[in-house]
Amino acid sequence: EAGVAQSPRYKIIEKRQSVAFWCNPISGHATLYWYQQILGQGPKLLIQFQNNGVVDDSQLPKDRFSAERLKGVDSTLKIQPAKLEDSAVYLCASSLGEGGAYEQYFGPGTRLTVT
Amino acid sequence: AQSVTQLGSHVSVSEGALVLLRCNYSSSVPPYLFWYVQYPNQGLQLLLKYTTGATLVKGINGFEAEFKKSETSFHLTKPSAHMSDAAEYFCAVGPVGSYKLIFGSGTRLLVRP
Repeated sequence: EAGVAQSPRYKIIEKRQSVAFWCNPISGHATLYWYQQILGQGPKLLIQFQNNGVVDDSQLPKDRFSAERLKGVDSTLKIQPAKLEDSAVYLCASSLGEGGAYEQYFGPGTRLTVT
Repeated sequence: AQSVTQLGSHVSVSEGALVLLRCNYSSSVPPYLFWYVQYPNQGLQLLLKYTTGATLVKGINGFEAEFKKSETSFHLTKPSAHMSDAAEYFCAVGPVGSYKLIFGSGTRLLVRP
């Protein structure tokens, strides 16, 4: 079974530029999550999708971050414009269902450096 | 609000020694509890989880954890450390009735030869 795929793996941009990350979840997984992991910290949930609908985006900085999940499969997370404090690893995860008991499967992440 | 505390950002053990990584949570209702491992430049992998039932949970790679409600703890142990265990370990809680995972800040395990 193929895992969660993410691209690119690494990205370096200057502040005020824009960037997009892509995630392909495990086939059949209805729930998709985007996390931000700042160096030295645990992952923090940015947004959760159930199929192609947003369940929770309460911690997404909506003035600069946006995310979509068209057709309930792939997802894209965008930052525009980027700030220095956005430097982090962005992790995508997916699970079969919604709920704490469902295992979340994580992709390898995209490491973003904003200079 | 739920929170997770992992005591010790770095733990160093000798190969063959006991591994003990500590995790405490704050919740009035016992949540679901998880341990994840992250190897360099990789995503998180589930080691084990507690939802209900037996409080001693066995996971992959010889790890186990015990849920202690009275101590609000979920410490991770392994009897004998191996060099390949060197990684970052994250404890997480999933409040019952919620989809969210709340992660601790992680503990980096170093294994000395």
